[in-house]
Amino acid sequence: DTEVTQTPKHLVMGMTNKKSLKCEQHMGHRAMYWYKQKAKKPPELMFVYSYEKLSINESVPSRFSPECPNSSLLNLHLHALQPEDSALYLCASSQELRTGGGNTIYFGEGSWLTVV
Amino acid sequence: QKEVEQDPGPLSVPEGAIVSLNCTYSNSAFQYFMWYRQYSRKGPELLMYTYSSGNKEDGRFTAQVDKSSKYISLFIRDSQPSDSATYLCAMSVIGGAGSYQLTFGKGTKLSVIP
Repeated sequence: DTEVTQTPKHLVMGMTNKKSLKCEQHMGHRAMYWYKQKAKKPPELMFVYSYEKLSINESVPSRFSPECPNSSLLNLHLHALQPEDSALYLCASSQELRTGGGNTIYFGEGSWLTVV
Repeated sequence: QKEVEQDPGPLSVPEGAIVSLNCTYSNSAFQYFMWYRQYSRKGPELLMYTYSSGNKEDGRFTAQVDKSSKYISLFIRDSQPSDSATYLCAMSVIGGAGSYQLTFGKGTKLSVIP
């Protein structure tokens, strides 16, 4: 079962609101990712957690704050967003990468965020 | 030159046709090659994953990797209207702490006409 579950599917928030996006996987994967995708563009990496530790932050503004409470959960806390932050936010997970192949990276269905 | 080049299309084919989707890349360090299918307003769905050069087949889909030419392809046989979607190629080196660092192509929008 290769499933990454994201909630909520849709979120509308004002620029002064605080909200969170949630992601859960039960595949035993130890790397989890947040991506942002704008219309007609490929996904862009935001954050990578490996073994519950933040390993990559792609210079994302501080109004986006990731959190990894345990190996199955990943949150993205949102505060003081701008309308241009409206996008599809994708969570993904993968097993630890080992040379010679193995597992790969699986995406959730995404959370559609609209900032008004 | 972008690291990964993919013709965005759109590509329109009749039902039953063989579809060929391609990406080229410039980074020799890429070791992992993936194809994702993305329906409108949905997350990317993994179709194929390959590590080495050569062909990999799964049902109507065949993924081909030629590392010497830095070229990957996805073939879809007997295409169906349900194959209408955007197809994204993605490649990775080993990132920090054993994670993937994917580089995506722009995606090719495919329409299969009944």
